[in-house]
This record gives sequence, structure tokens and C-alpha cells, in this order.
Amino acid sequence: GENVEQHPSTLSVQEGDSAVIKCTYSDSASNYFPWYKQELGKGPQLIIDIRSNVGEKKDQRIAVTLNKTAKHFSLHITETQPEDSAVYFCAASPEGEKLTFGTGTRLTIIP
Amino acid sequence: DTGVSQDPRHKITKRGQNVTFRCDPISEHNRLYWYRQTLGQGPEFLTYFQNEAQLEKSRLLSDRFSAERPKGSFSTLEIQRTEQGDSAMYLCASSFRQGRQYFGPGTRLTVT
Repeated sequence: GENVEQHPSTLSVQEGDSAVIKCTYSDSASNYFPWYKQELGKGPQLIIDIRSNVGEKKDQRIAVTLNKTAKHFSLHITETQPEDSAVYFCAASPEGEKLTFGTGTRLTIIP
Repeated sequence: DTGVSQDPRHKITKRGQNVTFRCDPISEHNRLYWYRQTLGQGPEFLTYFQNEAQLEKSRLLSDRFSAERPKGSFSTLEIQRTEQGDSAMYLCASSFRQGRQYFGPGTRLTVT
């Protein structure tokens, strides 16, 4: 089955700086890669996703890149703000099927 | 609010008791997923439905767990003879066909 690894497990950045979270996946059948943000006591919130026919996608301060050959994908957050503090999860799946999640990155934005 | 809803939000039960959770998906979403999340980990897939048909079950879903979606709308997840290892957040998600999965707030289960 699919295995997703995520790094780093914790990340602290100064407000206004950029944050990068990286994931690798193992199953070449995976073609859909969403990112979720989870705040304390809440369910995961979808923030951006990318499909394997695209190498990069951007939505305001958030961008995701995908390298299919290396089986790597990354989340980039620019101009970080205090409200970006949360746990972020990457996931992978053959589209429309069950998601396999990484172990999460706790992002702390330092004011 | 038209998002995924789950009930109850919190459940405390004694070991050996049965518990049932409910999930109401986003209207018109025909797929419904159950995941389990333990502290410090990402969600793990349990099972999913397309309409009323249960299409896949994880090996994590022991015989004590059963899920239903009788009319293709809401779903229930029952755990029989609860064990302390069942303590976790139980998350429900829904999607339209093979689209994006949107999660509910979860039900936190504590088995004492």
C-alpha cells in the first residue's frame, strides 16, 4: 500500500517569512495530493490540492509543487501570519480513493 | 451550515460498552469516508461508501467495528465491546464522486 513520509515534524518561522513542508510517497499509482490544515480540536481543512498532470499550483500565499519522477511534493507558505499556526498534513491517493496521510507538521509562526 | 456534521462531538465510555457515532455528509455528496486519528498522527482510513454500498474496509476495522449508510445519506459507525485502544478522534469526510474530501469536526472517543 501507499506510504507517505512528511518532514519536518515541527517548524517555527518568524512572521512574514516563508515555510516549506515536504512529503514523499511510495505508490506510483497515486495521482492526487491534497494538503490539510488542522487546528486544535477541529477536523482537517482542505487548503490546496494538486493532481499529477500538473507540476505546480498556487493560491494566494500558498503553493504546492509536485515532482512525479522523484515522488516528492511540497507545500510553500509565503508571508506567514500568526493564523497560519496549525498542524499541516499532506496526503496521497489514486484520485477518488482513500487518502493516505503523512504524520503532520506542527507550524508555529513567531510574532 | 452546509458542511459535514458529526454527532456526538465527545463521547466517554467504559471499556466493554458499545458506542455509535453519526455522520451527516454535505448534501449531494455520494461518497462518505471514515478515518481514525490518534494523538500526534495523521488520519488513518477505516472505510468508505459510495451511496449505500460499502466499497472498501481497512484491516484496521476489526470485527468489533461496523459501519452503515442505509439510505445513502447519513452514516453510522458502531464500536462494540470498546477497548482502551479505541480511544481516538473518529473523522468523517464526504466527496462528490471522486472529488475533494471535506472533513467534519470529528467525534473524540475516550474509553476508560
